[in-house]
Amino acid sequence: DQQVKQNSPSLSVQEGRISILNCDYTNSMFDYFLWYKKYPAEGPTFLISISSIKDKNEDGRFTVFLNKSAKHLSLHIVPSQPGDSAVYFCAASPRRGSQGNLIFGKGTKLSVKP
Amino acid sequence: GAVVSQHPSWVICKSGTSVKIECRSLDFQATTMFWYRQFPKQSLMLMATSNEGSKATYEQGVEKDKFLINHASLTLSTLTVTSAHPEDSSFYICSARDRGLGSNQPQHFGDGTRLSIL
Repeated sequence: DQQVKQNSPSLSVQEGRISILNCDYTNSMFDYFLWYKKYPAEGPTFLISISSIKDKNEDGRFTVFLNKSAKHLSLHIVPSQPGDSAVYFCAASPRRGSQGNLIFGKGTKLSVKP
Repeated sequence: GAVVSQHPSWVICKSGTSVKIECRSLDFQATTMFWYRQFPKQSLMLMATSNEGSKATYEQGVEKDKFLINHASLTLSTLTVTSAHPEDSSFYICSARDRGLGSNQPQHFGDGTRLSIL
């Protein structure tokens, strides 16, 4: 049973427009959420995170929104650039006191077209 | 930024061979490192949590005698796939957290090891 779900396996966006990647989770014990970006044959690179006490975190072109009641988070990239083309993984971590292991979604492949 | 080095990046070997994969944190100390496996078009699945100076914690369904983990120092964890078979072929990735930064901070990943068993 998947605890972290990324229901869109792929997304195609025009350069300069907004990319919105979605993620849903089922476990209310999760309190820390992260987005990672992954290129082929490389490990995931940390992008941005959000704690459950917040509903928004922004870092440059990247903003993560968290809706705890809906158990939903999203990553907004604006403006999108061709270099953003990669697979984006949503991940969640249980409450403090755990060892911090991450539960990953299956990823969404983003293609930004020039 | 935090750098995690994983070696080797690619291994091709015969069935029955044991393969050791190293994971090093280059500019920080990691009390805890994590080992993941990723099959094609699947998410990263946590295999085990490696703790410096103590036994690893394995996820359900992962054979501890098959996947030996050693975390002998604060900067090095190793995963040994013993007597590897074709079904063990996968992409193995390690990650680590900086122990000096407390909880709720990101894991940093190595570039992974592509293991192909013939």
